[in-house]
Amino acid sequence: SYVLTQPPSVSVAPGQTARITCGGNNIGSKSVHWYQQKPGQAPVLVVYDDSDRPSGIPERFSGSNSGNTATLTISRVEAGDEADYYCQVWDSSSDHPGVFGTGTKVTVL
Amino acid sequence: EVQLVESGGGLVKPGGSLRLSCAASGFTFSSYSMNWVRQAPGKGLEWVSSISSSSSYIYYADSVKGRFTISRDNAKNSLYLQMNSLRAEDTAVYYCARASLGCSGGSCYSDWGQGTLVTVSS
Repeated sequence: SYVLTQPPSVSVAPGQTARITCGGNNIGSKSVHWYQQKPGQAPVLVVYDDSDRPSGIPERFSGSNSGNTATLTISRVEAGDEADYYCQVWDSSSDHPGVFGTGTKVTVL
Repeated sequence: EVQLVESGGGLVKPGGSLRLSCAASGFTFSSYSMNWVRQAPGKGLEWVSSISSSSSYIYYADSVKGRFTISRDNAKNSLYLQMNSLRAEDTAVYYCARASLGCSGGSCYSDWGQGTLVTVSS
């Protein structure tokens, strides 16, 4: 089955840029989605189809995808961005196509 | 406003069964694929199962295939997950999630319920 690998943690100072990677075999050929989850809350979609933002999501959240790595970038990080972030793809070639990444805890210093 | 409300969670013994429900409102339920996603305590998200709008396509994670059954009733705007032969490792918060028509192939989840906790323990 398809595997998505993320770094367990990323630390960033307020106002700086956080980059969260999501590695997968030829992930550049798939549409990657990103979710933010704060403690005790349901996940929230922050980026879909590699780089699009749902309405209401700040422009500070952006995404890219190429080769074997997709990246979620959070610019001008704020304290409220501290959360777990998960990448996700739909592997249409598989019998069990739903796949989430391992998750990354973003800590704002 | 889209609302997804899960129910049916609780404490069950290993080998037991439970049926989760997700009541949907605020959108045309019959037009959307729906999904179950779970999260074990302190762990990451795990996709569990998906069902297309007309129930024509159904998928399961390997970890639950043969034990869990997803279904829906479009007349009642409801999604279900029948869970049999439950194991300790099935302990998790179970989320109901709506697929978005706006992302490629409806493959992302734009709306989530608050989840229902399933605990499998003797």
